[in-house]
Amino acid sequence: AQKVTQAQTEISVVEKEDVTLDCVYETRDTTYYLFWYKQPPSGELVFLIRRNSFDEQNEISGRYSWNFQKSTSSFNFTITASQVVDSAVYFCALSPPSGTYKYIFGTGTRLKVLA
Amino acid sequence: ETGVTQTPRHLVMGMTNKKSLKCEQHLGHNAMYWYKQSAKKPLELMFVYNFKEQTENNSVPSRFSPECPNSSHLFLHLHTLQPEDSALYLCASSQALTSGNTIYFGEGSWLTVV
Repeated sequence: AQKVTQAQTEISVVEKEDVTLDCVYETRDTTYYLFWYKQPPSGELVFLIRRNSFDEQNEISGRYSWNFQKSTSSFNFTITASQVVDSAVYFCALSPPSGTYKYIFGTGTRLKVLA
Repeated sequence: ETGVTQTPRHLVMGMTNKKSLKCEQHLGHNAMYWYKQSAKKPLELMFVYNFKEQTENNSVPSRFSPECPNSSHLFLHLHTLQPEDSALYLCASSQALTSGNTIYFGEGSWLTVV
């Protein structure tokens, strides 16, 4: 079975704190892709990152960083020095080799950054 | 500016009305999707089109009728909806259907059925 679990339903932090959003996935495929999306209150899901299963290098983009660990089937997302504009729902997704329309989304983590 | 635009952003309709949601993508993609996002439920894939041809209908009730006249435009025709159909409807596109293609979403159409 393929599954994405985002166990943290909601997280609240104070501005400038660092926060990590967890994503754990299950798949028997050796080739797959992982994604993170941000959904602000306006509704649009904004693409943040794509990672393939053969690339375990961590990625940093400004205040955002991602830690991919195949050994624990995790693809965690860290926001450093959080800002109020980071408040949103964040989704992790798994794309199996069978095609993009088989994207498996997690249930999302709502992040609230308080001023 | 988003590469996938949806109109209207907000829609309130009665159960006997007929309305349509429109989506246009400016990314040159070949695949387009409709997703439904209800409160406290995971994202649900509704329909998939590839080069204007429907490739997936995820057991969606017939009161939702998609139309894809070309690779850039996608419609969702709505008729005799139920209150439980109230949700955020997201249009999306990707270059292709093969694994690893990034799906890009529009801002969504918030639908309320009264």
